Amino acid sequence: DIQMTQSPSSVSAVVGDRVTITCRASQDISSWLAWYQQKPGKAPNLLMYTASSLQSGVPSRFSGSGSGTDFTLTISSLQPEDFATYFCQQAHSPPYTFGQGTKVEIK
Amino acid sequence: QVRPVQSGAEVKRPGASVKVSCKASGINFNDYYIHWMRQAPGQGLEWMGYIRPNSGGTNLEQKFRGRVTMTRDTSSSTVFMELSRLGSDDTAVYFCARDGYNLGRPFFDYWGQGTLVTVSS
Repeated sequence: DIQMTQSPSSVSAVVGDRVTITCRASQDISSWLAWYQQKPGKAPNLLMYTASSLQSGVPSRFSGSGSGTDFTLTISSLQPEDFATYFCQQAHSPPYTFGQGTKVEIK
Repeated sequence: QVRPVQSGAEVKRPGASVKVSCKASGINFNDYYIHWMRQAPGQGLEWMGYIRPNSGGTNLEQKFRGRVTMTRDTSSSTVFMELSRLGSDDTAVYFCARDGYNLGRPFFDYWGQGTLVTVSS
């Protein structure tokens, strides 16, 4: 199975901050990576697919980069509604595994 | 709201089975793969497998084979996930989600609201 490791596990930030989250795959997954946002008690929401493609309806302050084993999700200017947990997911091969999550908290 | 609609919360005894439904609401199901994930309390997401509603074909994560059955009812655009021989470690929120891009690699664009399954004696 492909292991997905996110860092950090949590980050404290204020509105307006630039926030970067990293996801590392245990083997080459090309660009087969997605990012999701999840708020408490809710289902995940797709933000990015194929590592750097912005899902329809997602604000442009979200961006993704990387290929191979190392990937990044960046929020360019954190907004109040962005405080949530973020997960990466590899879509390269089954079982389709997720990172353990990064919680973005209010500082 | 346009999203899959799942059945309500369940409480089950150890050793029992649970069947969770996921109905298309305002979105096309039949031309896409529908995947199931679960999330134990305070934990990350675990992929369980998928069903292709138009053919009924499935692919299950190895650890769930023999314990999970995925089926569909095309007339009502509903898919079902049944998990048998429940144990306490099956307590989780179960999600269905559509792979919306049909790239051969799944990216989940529409998710059900989740169904909490609690296993307790």
